[in-house]
This record gives sequence, C-alpha cells and structure tokens, in this order.
Amino acid sequence: AQSVSQHNHHVILSEAASLELGCNYSYGGTVNLFWYVQYPGQHLQLLLKYFSGDPLVKGIKGFEAEFIKSKFSFNLRKPSVQWSDTAEYFCAVNVGGATNKLIFGTGTLLAVQP
Amino acid sequence: NAGVTQTPKFRVLKTGQSMTLLCAQDMNHEYMYWYRQDPGMGLRLIHYSVGEGTTAKGEVPDGYNVSRLKKQNFLLGLESAAPSQTSVYFCASSYDQEGYTFGSGTRLTVV
Repeated sequence: AQSVSQHNHHVILSEAASLELGCNYSYGGTVNLFWYVQYPGQHLQLLLKYFSGDPLVKGIKGFEAEFIKSKFSFNLRKPSVQWSDTAEYFCAVNVGGATNKLIFGTGTLLAVQP
Repeated sequence: NAGVTQTPKFRVLKTGQSMTLLCAQDMNHEYMYWYRQDPGMGLRLIHYSVGEGTTAKGEVPDGYNVSRLKKQNFLLGLESAAPSQTSVYFCASSYDQEGYTFGSGTRLTVV
C-alpha cells in the first residue's frame, strides 16, 4: 500500500531561521505530490503541488518544494520563516487511478518563536 | 462560491447515539471524501465516492457508513458512536487529480 512519511513531528524555530520539512513516499509509479498547511483552528489549505516538469516547485507565502524521484522525496523549504508560519504541515500523495485518493502523512507541527 | 460546506461544525454525542454529518459541494465534483484527523496521525481516509451512487471504504471505515444519493452531497453516518470516534472530520471534493477542496471540519466529541 502507498504511504507517506513525515519524519519531523514537531519543529521549533526562531523567526528568520530556514525551514526544511522532510517528506518521503512509497510508490513506484507516477505520483502527484502536495503540501498542505493547517493554521490553528482552520481547515487545510494548499501550499503547493507537483505533477510534472521542473522538480523545484514554488508555492504561496514563499514556500517551495523539491521533488527528487530517486529518493522518493518531496521536501518543503522556506528560507526565512515568520511567526505567522506557525501551523501544521501535511505532505500528501495522489497515485491516480480510478479512485483519485489523497494519502496524507502524519503532519509536522511547526512553532515559530518571535 | 461556497465550495465545500460541512454541517454541523461542532457536536457532542453520548456513547451509543447516532448522527449524520453532511458534506455539500457546489462545484460539480465527481469525487468526494471523508477524512478524520487525530493528533499525530494526520488525516486518514474513512470512505470515499467516485461518483453519484457509489461509495467505497478507505483506511478506517469501521463504525461509519456513507451515502451519496446526490452528486453534490456526501453523508457520513455514525450508527452507534464510541469515544474512539472523537475526532475532527473533514470532507473534501475533487474534479481530478489536481485539485482538492476541503471543508472547514466538524469537531465531534463522544462522551
């Protein structure tokens, strides 16, 4: 079965620090990859997505992610975090097919200290 | 643009009670999904539907039933609520593999 792993469960950073959140998936075929963010008390919002083409994807709010096919990874990065980036971040994979299911990782809780 | 609307937003149930969560979308999406979100476990798929009149089990279907009688609505039912079903429930819909729209969630507590 397909799965998504997020190894960082809880990350604490100071403002202006750089961020990298890891995401690995297990599936040998073509995948579509997503990062979602959930601010406290809110629903999931799409940060960025990758389907094909340039493996470096830029999203909203200065976030970017790099797809490395050989490592089955899709890590999220931001050069300089802000207090307002405090949220939970989810990596997700869609392996296509008739079901179009989105499989989520367990999430990474990011706390940015002012 | 309403997107995906979930009702109710909050609910407290006693063990053994039943309830139905409603998800409605106005985007003419074929695919609809119910997830539950629990601390440290991410979002887990309960049931999903690939079109009107169809439903299928996800990762954690036990204790839940669903129906999709109309394309725009996807109902999640709990026949006999248990404390283990205390969670935040999210509905989502999609047209294809590229875009998913999530509802704002239903926070359910079973006491």
